[in-house]
Amino acid sequence: KQEVTQIPAALSVPEGENLVLNCSFTDSAIYNLQWFRQDPGKGLTSLLLIQSSQREQTSGRLNASLDKSSGRSTLYIAASQPGDSATYLCAGGGSEKLVFGKGTKLTVNP
Amino acid sequence: NAGVMQNPRHLVRRRGQEARLRCSPVKGHSHVYWYRQLPEEGLKFMVYLQKENIIDESGMPKERFSAEFPKEGPSILRIQQVVRGDSAAYFCASSPDGLSGNTIYFGEGSWLTVV
Repeated sequence: KQEVTQIPAALSVPEGENLVLNCSFTDSAIYNLQWFRQDPGKGLTSLLLIQSSQREQTSGRLNASLDKSSGRSTLYIAASQPGDSATYLCAGGGSEKLVFGKGTKLTVNP
Repeated sequence: NAGVMQNPRHLVRRRGQEARLRCSPVKGHSHVYWYRQLPEEGLKFMVYLQKENIIDESGMPKERFSAEFPKEGPSILRIQQVVRGDSAAYFCASSPDGLSGNTIYFGEGSWLTVV
Protein backbone atom coordinates (compact mmCIF):
# COMPACT_ATOMS: atom_id res chain seq x y z
CA LYS A 1 0.00 0.00 0.00
CA GLN A 2 1.44 3.33 -1.08
CA GLU A 3 2.03 5.92 1.61
CA VAL A 4 3.29 9.43 0.92
CA THR A 5 4.88 11.66 3.55
CA GLN A 6 5.81 15.31 3.24
CA ILE A 7 8.28 17.13 5.42
CA PRO A 8 8.10 19.75 6.77
CA ALA A 9 4.39 20.27 7.39
CA ALA A 10 4.92 24.03 7.37
CA LEU A 11 7.71 26.32 6.28
CA SER A 12 8.16 30.07 6.57
CA VAL A 13 10.93 31.81 4.66
CA PRO A 14 11.89 35.36 3.71
CA GLU A 15 11.36 36.50 0.16
CA GLY A 16 14.20 35.63 -2.21
CA GLU A 17 15.28 32.47 -0.44
CA ASN A 18 15.79 29.20 -2.30
CA LEU A 19 13.99 26.31 -0.66
CA VAL A 20 13.41 22.57 -0.90
CA LEU A 21 10.25 20.65 -0.10
CA ASN A 22 10.55 16.94 0.55
CA CYS A 23 8.32 14.03 -0.31
CA SER A 24 8.88 10.36 0.42
CA PHE A 25 6.89 7.35 -0.73
CA THR A 26 6.91 3.72 0.32
CA ASP A 27 6.21 1.89 -2.94
CA SER A 28 8.74 2.50 -5.70
CA ALA A 29 6.39 0.95 -8.27
CA ILE A 30 4.84 4.26 -9.21
CA TYR A 31 3.86 5.42 -12.67
CA ASN A 32 4.61 9.02 -11.93
CA LEU A 33 5.11 11.60 -9.21
CA GLN A 34 3.22 14.84 -9.35
CA TRP A 35 3.56 18.09 -7.45
CA PHE A 36 0.53 20.31 -6.97
CA ARG A 37 -0.16 23.69 -5.50
CA GLN A 38 -3.31 24.38 -3.48
CA ASP A 39 -4.40 27.85 -2.45
CA PRO A 40 -6.87 28.25 0.46
CA GLY A 41 -10.41 27.37 -0.59
CA LYS A 42 -9.27 26.43 -4.06
CA GLY A 43 -8.61 23.35 -6.11
CA LEU A 44 -5.26 21.87 -7.06
CA THR A 45 -3.01 23.18 -9.77
CA SER A 46 -0.55 20.74 -11.29
CA LEU A 47 2.99 22.10 -11.17
CA LEU A 48 5.22 19.30 -12.39
CA LEU A 49 4.77 15.72 -13.49
CA ILE A 50 7.73 13.32 -13.38
CA GLN A 51 7.16 10.04 -15.13
CA SER A 52 8.74 6.92 -13.68
CA SER A 53 11.45 6.82 -16.37
CA GLN A 54 12.49 10.41 -15.68
CA ARG A 55 14.63 11.86 -12.90
CA GLU A 56 13.58 15.49 -12.93
CA GLN A 57 11.40 18.14 -14.47
CA THR A 58 11.76 21.90 -14.56
CA SER A 59 9.29 24.72 -15.03
CA GLY A 60 10.45 28.26 -14.50
CA ARG A 61 11.70 28.64 -10.93
CA LEU A 62 10.56 25.14 -10.03
CA ASN A 63 12.55 21.95 -10.29
CA ALA A 64 11.34 18.57 -9.14
CA SER A 65 13.45 15.45 -8.86
CA LEU A 66 12.53 11.81 -8.44
CA ASP A 67 14.66 9.04 -6.98
CA LYS A 68 12.63 5.85 -7.08
CA SER A 69 15.35 3.74 -5.45
CA SER A 70 15.27 5.83 -2.29
CA GLY A 71 11.57 6.61 -2.51
CA ARG A 72 12.08 10.35 -2.53
CA SER A 73 11.12 13.41 -4.49
CA THR A 74 12.06 17.02 -3.89
CA LEU A 75 10.59 20.26 -5.13
CA TYR A 76 13.09 23.07 -5.39
CA ILE A 77 11.80 26.64 -5.55
CA ALA A 78 14.32 29.27 -6.54
CA ALA A 79 14.13 32.91 -5.49
CA SER A 80 10.87 32.50 -3.60
CA GLN A 81 8.20 35.20 -3.82
CA PRO A 82 5.21 36.06 -1.61
CA GLY A 83 2.97 34.78 -4.40
CA ASP A 84 4.47 31.32 -3.88
CA SER A 85 2.69 31.11 -0.53
CA ALA A 86 0.39 28.10 -0.72
CA THR A 87 0.21 24.45 0.27
CA TYR A 88 2.31 22.15 -1.89
CA LEU A 89 1.18 18.58 -2.32
CA CYS A 90 3.01 15.66 -3.81
CA ALA A 91 1.22 12.59 -5.06
CA GLY A 92 2.45 9.20 -6.17
CA GLY A 93 0.58 7.88 -9.16
CA GLY A 94 -0.47 4.34 -9.70
CA SER A 95 -2.31 3.23 -12.79
CA GLU A 96 -5.68 4.29 -11.46
CA LYS A 97 -5.24 6.68 -8.59
CA LEU A 98 -2.99 9.16 -6.86
CA VAL A 99 -1.90 8.85 -3.26
CA PHE A 100 -1.33 12.26 -1.70
CA GLY A 101 0.83 13.50 1.10
CA LYS A 102 -0.68 15.93 3.61
CA GLY A 103 1.24 18.80 2.08
CA THR A 104 3.72 21.46 3.10
CA LYS A 105 2.24 24.86 3.88
CA LEU A 106 4.68 27.46 2.58
CA THR A 107 4.67 31.09 3.66
CA VAL A 108 7.01 33.49 1.92
CA ASN A 109 7.34 36.72 3.85
CA PRO A 110 7.95 40.01 2.04
CA ASN B 1 -7.75 24.52 -13.69
CA ALA B 2 -8.08 23.54 -17.31
CA GLY B 3 -11.84 23.34 -17.36
CA VAL B 4 -12.99 20.83 -14.75
CA MET B 5 -16.23 22.33 -13.50
CA GLN B 6 -17.73 21.39 -10.17
CA ASN B 7 -20.97 22.53 -8.66
CA PRO B 8 -22.17 23.52 -6.26
CA ARG B 9 -19.03 25.11 -4.85
CA HIS B 10 -20.54 25.24 -1.39
CA LEU B 11 -23.36 23.14 -0.05
CA VAL B 12 -24.97 23.05 3.37
CA ARG B 13 -27.09 20.07 4.34
CA ARG B 14 -28.81 19.02 7.54
CA ARG B 15 -28.07 15.61 8.96
CA GLY B 16 -30.09 12.99 7.14
CA GLN B 17 -30.46 14.91 3.90
CA GLU B 18 -28.93 13.99 0.57
CA ALA B 19 -26.02 15.76 -1.11
CA ARG B 20 -25.41 15.64 -4.85
CA LEU B 21 -22.15 16.92 -6.22
CA ARG B 22 -21.65 17.37 -9.95
CA CYS B 23 -18.52 17.34 -12.04
CA SER B 24 -18.04 18.13 -15.71
CA PRO B 25 -14.59 16.99 -16.85
CA VAL B 26 -12.33 18.76 -19.28
CA LYS B 27 -13.83 18.52 -22.75
CA GLY B 28 -12.69 15.29 -24.34
CA HIS B 29 -11.64 13.64 -21.07
CA SER B 30 -13.34 10.34 -20.42
CA HIS B 31 -11.69 9.50 -17.07
CA VAL B 32 -13.03 11.04 -13.88
CA TYR B 33 -11.78 10.74 -10.31
CA TRP B 34 -13.29 11.86 -7.04
CA TYR B 35 -11.19 12.70 -3.98
CA ARG B 36 -12.18 13.84 -0.51
CA GLN B 37 -10.22 16.22 1.69
CA LEU B 38 -11.20 16.10 5.34
CA PRO B 39 -10.14 18.95 7.64
CA GLU B 40 -6.42 18.66 8.46
CA GLU B 41 -6.11 15.59 6.26
CA GLY B 42 -4.66 14.93 2.85
CA LEU B 43 -6.71 14.15 -0.20
CA LYS B 44 -8.01 10.61 -0.23
CA PHE B 45 -9.01 8.75 -3.35
CA MET B 46 -12.65 7.75 -3.49
CA VAL B 47 -13.57 6.48 -6.94
CA TYR B 48 -12.39 6.29 -10.54
CA LEU B 49 -14.91 6.20 -13.36
CA GLN B 50 -14.98 6.07 -17.10
CA LYS B 51 -18.09 6.71 -19.13
CA GLU B 52 -20.83 4.44 -17.76
CA ASN B 53 -18.34 2.33 -15.80
CA ILE B 54 -16.92 2.33 -12.29
CA ILE B 55 -13.31 1.24 -12.60
CA ASP B 56 -12.13 1.47 -8.99
CA GLU B 57 -14.29 2.34 -6.00
CA SER B 58 -11.92 1.08 -3.34
CA GLY B 59 -11.94 4.44 -1.54
CA MET B 60 -15.70 4.81 -1.31
CA PRO B 61 -17.37 4.25 2.04
CA LYS B 62 -19.43 1.08 1.87
CA GLU B 63 -22.72 2.75 2.65
CA ARG B 64 -24.52 5.96 1.66
CA PHE B 65 -22.01 6.96 -1.05
CA SER B 66 -22.42 6.33 -4.76
CA ALA B 67 -20.99 7.72 -7.96
CA GLU B 68 -21.88 7.64 -11.61
CA PHE B 69 -20.58 8.98 -14.89
CA PRO B 70 -23.34 8.58 -17.45
CA LYS B 71 -22.92 8.55 -21.19
CA GLU B 72 -24.33 12.06 -21.32
CA GLY B 73 -23.95 14.71 -18.64
CA PRO B 74 -21.72 15.25 -15.65
CA SER B 75 -20.38 12.80 -13.14
CA ILE B 76 -22.40 12.75 -9.93
CA LEU B 77 -21.21 11.94 -6.42
CA ARG B 78 -24.22 11.22 -4.23
CA ILE B 79 -24.19 11.06 -0.46
CA GLN B 80 -27.35 9.85 1.17
CA GLN B 81 -28.37 10.55 4.77
CA VAL B 82 -25.41 12.82 5.40
CA VAL B 83 -23.72 12.91 8.80
CA ARG B 84 -21.42 15.54 10.28
CA GLY B 85 -18.37 13.44 9.44
CA ASP B 86 -19.16 13.87 5.75
CA SER B 87 -18.27 17.57 6.01
CA ALA B 88 -15.29 17.95 3.71
CA ALA B 89 -14.09 19.29 0.39
CA TYR B 90 -14.84 16.96 -2.49
CA PHE B 91 -12.61 17.30 -5.52
CA CYS B 92 -13.20 15.98 -8.97
CA ALA B 93 -10.40 15.45 -11.47
CA SER B 94 -10.17 14.29 -15.05
CA SER B 95 -7.58 12.95 -17.44
CA PRO B 96 -7.71 12.00 -21.10
CA ASP B 97 -6.45 8.42 -20.88
CA GLY B 98 -5.89 7.48 -17.28
CA LEU B 99 -2.94 8.42 -15.12
CA SER B 100 0.00 6.77 -16.78
CA GLY B 101 2.06 9.68 -18.04
CA ASN B 102 -0.83 12.13 -18.09
CA THR B 103 -1.35 15.25 -16.08
CA ILE B 104 -4.52 15.16 -14.08
CA TYR B 105 -6.68 18.27 -13.88
CA PHE B 106 -8.60 19.14 -10.74
CA GLY B 107 -11.71 21.18 -10.27
CA GLU B 108 -12.12 23.89 -7.63
CA GLY B 109 -13.91 21.52 -5.29
CA SER B 110 -17.29 21.32 -3.63
CA TRP B 111 -17.31 22.20 0.07
CA LEU B 112 -19.95 20.24 1.94
CA THR B 113 -20.99 21.34 5.41
CA VAL B 114 -23.37 19.14 7.38
CA VAL B 115 -25.16 20.90 10.22
